[in-house]
Amino acid sequence: EVQVVESGGGLVQPGGSLRLSCIASGFTFVDRHMDWVRQAPGKGLEWVGRINNKGQGYTTEYAASVKGRFTASRDDSKSSVYLQMNSLKTEDTALYFCTSDSGYWSLDYWGQGTLVTVSS
Amino acid sequence: IELTQSPGTLSLSPGERATLSCRASQSVSSNYLAWYQQKPGQAPRLLIYGASSRATGIPDRFSGSGSGTDFTLTISRLEPEDSAVYYCQQFGDSPRFTFGPGTKVDIK
Repeated sequence: EVQVVESGGGLVQPGGSLRLSCIASGFTFVDRHMDWVRQAPGKGLEWVGRINNKGQGYTTEYAASVKGRFTASRDDSKSSVYLQMNSLKTEDTALYFCTSDSGYWSLDYWGQGTLVTVSS
Repeated sequence: IELTQSPGTLSLSPGERATLSCRASQSVSSNYLAWYQQKPGQAPRLLIYGASSRATGIPDRFSGSGSGTDFTLTISRLEPEDSAVYYCQQFGDSPRFTFGPGTKVDIK
């Protein structure tokens, strides 16, 4: 059974930092590029960033809205990915989903999300 | 590339056919077009990838079609559990994934 579980969300003041974690099981994690997608309250889906697999050199990619502030990383030995979020803004408030690239230019396995609230 | 979806909301009865549209601002490879279903309080669920291939476990009443800039998700016989928001998505160079604004399907 596939499981993707995010953690680490919470309330943080503007300018603060937060580190999200995601642990996956039930699929070959090491082969997958892993992505973060967020959803602001009552809004649609926004891709945040990704960390590619070892074959792609663990390279990272980000949306323009978070580039320079967010950093994705992974630990294949723990089947885990992380999202370090710095210089948080109120507009970063959202439910953050961890998800995997299916290999067919789509996202197949999703966690239930972890809520990040940026507010003073 | 920007994606627009129409209609914004679709209100239909069980057993009816739903036709959801996704239009891209530039031509998109069919390989790079996917559809998701999201129910309240749940994560998105991959329905269709490659414009027309059903993901694992997706019922055959869901089908995708289209090419170029115009893509369609069809739900042939609506069931009450199909009430959800449906998003189209395209894969690109930067950003990697772009989502449409969604179509809400209400089952009366």
